[in-house]
Amino acid sequence: KAGVTQTPRYLIKTRGQQVTLSCSPISGHRSVSWYQQTPGQGLQFLFEYFSETQRNKGNFPGRFSGRQFSNSRSEMNVSTLELGDSALYLCASSREPGTWGTEAFFGQGTRLTVV
Amino acid sequence: GQQLNQSPQSMFIQEGEDVSMNCTSSSIFNTWLWYKQDPGEGPVLLIALYKAGELTSNGRLTAQFGITRKDSFLNISASIPSDVGIYFCAGLDYAGNMLTFGGGTRLMVKP
Repeated sequence: KAGVTQTPRYLIKTRGQQVTLSCSPISGHRSVSWYQQTPGQGLQFLFEYFSETQRNKGNFPGRFSGRQFSNSRSEMNVSTLELGDSALYLCASSREPGTWGTEAFFGQGTRLTVV
Repeated sequence: GQQLNQSPQSMFIQEGEDVSMNCTSSSIFNTWLWYKQDPGEGPVLLIALYKAGELTSNGRLTAQFGITRKDSFLNISASIPSDVGIYFCAGLDYAGNMLTFGGGTRLMVKP
């Protein structure tokens, strides 16, 4: 059974550009959450999607957005990139919202570097 | 937002020693989770705790959900070199909406 797949694994962008990251959940999982991991702020919740609807959003500026498709795959977009957006972006999938514990799994992440 | 205070921030121990780390919160959580993250990888779940006072083991790992629902600890017994990594606690709110993570404990094991 394939795990959570995030693409690309590594990305280098220039300030002011925009970026789109992709997350393919485990087959059968319909809930996708995104987290940002930085050395200074640690792991912080970005948003959660279920059935193509955003259920929750963390405390991030509007430059951060996302969406979920009918096949449960999710993308997140960051516009007008800033140096501080450099981070490891992690996606996690679960069957249903809130079913963490043994039913949710993280992907390997996308390492975004903004120069 | 909510904050989880995880301590210690780092530990450098000898192989075979026991390790203990804990998390405290100003808020109540419905579920406590402990993860391990290796370099370049996403966090991997070690133990999940669902009830206040619950004590759960997974091999050499033991974790407890505090009675007040505001704290949890993780113990690793007889550490081995492959235990090296960063350990995170995480609390899940009652709505089950999102995880709040601790700052992590970096564990280093000397063979």
